[in-house]
Order: sequence, then C-alpha cells, then structure tokens
Amino acid sequence: DIQMTQSPSSLSASVGDRVTITCRASQSISSYLNWYQQKPGKAPKLLIYAASSLQSDVPARFSGSGSGTDFTLTISSLQPEDFATYYCQQSYSTPYTFGQGTKLEIK
Amino acid sequence: QITLKESGPTLVKPTQTLTLTCTFSGFSLSTSGVGVGWIRQPPGKALEWLALIYWDDDKRYSPSLKSRLTITKDTSKNQVVLKMTNMDPVDTATYYCAHNRGYSYGFSFDYWGQGTLVTVSS
Repeated sequence: DIQMTQSPSSLSASVGDRVTITCRASQSISSYLNWYQQKPGKAPKLLIYAASSLQSDVPARFSGSGSGTDFTLTISSLQPEDFATYYCQQSYSTPYTFGQGTKLEIK
Repeated sequence: QITLKESGPTLVKPTQTLTLTCTFSGFSLSTSGVGVGWIRQPPGKALEWLALIYWDDDKRYSPSLKSRLTITKDTSKNQVVLKMTNMDPVDTATYYCAHNRGYSYGFSFDYWGQGTLVTVSS
C-alpha cells in the first residue's frame, strides 16, 4: 500500500490567514492526489482533484500543487467556514489510501 | 443531480456478516469509467478506503480486508452492495459510499452518501 503522511496533524489559524497543509506519499503517485474537507458529522467534500484541479463550486481561495511524492493544499485567506479537517488521498493505485487528516482550528 | 444513500443495520453482533447497500441516482454504473466505492471512518479517526467497483465489474479491495469483503453491483437497480464477514468491535465506524469519476478526473470521489454508523457489539 502507498502510505500518505500529512503535516501538520493540527493547525490553529485566524480568519484571513494563509494556510498550507502538506501531504507526502511513500512513493511517486504522479498527480493522482485529491484533497477533501470534512466537517463534524458530515461526509467528506472533494476540493481538489488530480493535485491541482479545483472541483466545481469550490471557492478559488483553495488551491493545490505538487507532483511525484510531495503535495500541498493552500487556503489563501481563511474564512470561518473553512475550519474543518482536511484529508489527502492518493488515487494512483488501489487501495486508494488517505492521509491521517489535518484538523484546522480557530486561533 | 447525483445522490447516494447507504442503508443497512445500525447494530451487528461480533462474528456476524454486515451487508450494506448503496442506492444511487443521477448516473449509471454502466457508463464507461464510472465507479462506486466504500470508505469507512471509525469514531474520531481517519478515513479508510475499503473497496471499489467499476462500470466494467472490475473490483478492487483493501488488501488488509480483502478476505472479508465482497462488493457487487446491480445496474438495473442502481445499487452497490458491500458485504463484510466476521465483524468485530474494531469495525465500528461510519460507512460511506461514494461516486468515483474515473481516469479523466483522477479517480476522485466527487459525490458521497451521508454515511451510516454501524456499531459492532454483543
């Protein structure tokens, strides 16, 4: 299995901050990397697919970059509704493993 | 509009077999490239990918659970069924099904069901 490691595991930030979450794969996954946002009691929501493509109806303050083994999710200016847990997922080969999550909290 | 909904028991006993059904609308599982997957999440923990079935009946499983899982589809009913044998309390989790968009969209899951909490307890 390909292991996905996210950092940090948790993060405190303020509204308006620029935030970056990183995800590292245990082997090269090309650009087969997706990012999801999950709020308590809700299903995950797709934000970014194929490393850098913005899912429709997702605000442009979210962006993704990277290829190979190292990827980042950036939120350019945090909004109150962005406080949630974020997961990366590789879809290069099954099992399509997820990272352990990054919990973004209000400072 | 794509929707998915999971159904099945909320409580199962250890050693029993869990059967979950994902009923979907807004797409056909006979369309090239499309798939439906199952993902679970124990309370307070991370997401875990379980299984995926594609439009052409290609089936993929988590290696650690492969011996216990079976995924099938009924295209005429717009349903995907996941069976997990020999349930254990550690299998207590919210189980989600999700629509997989295939190669053109990086095999991402763009639509998810609301999830169903399954508790394993005697």
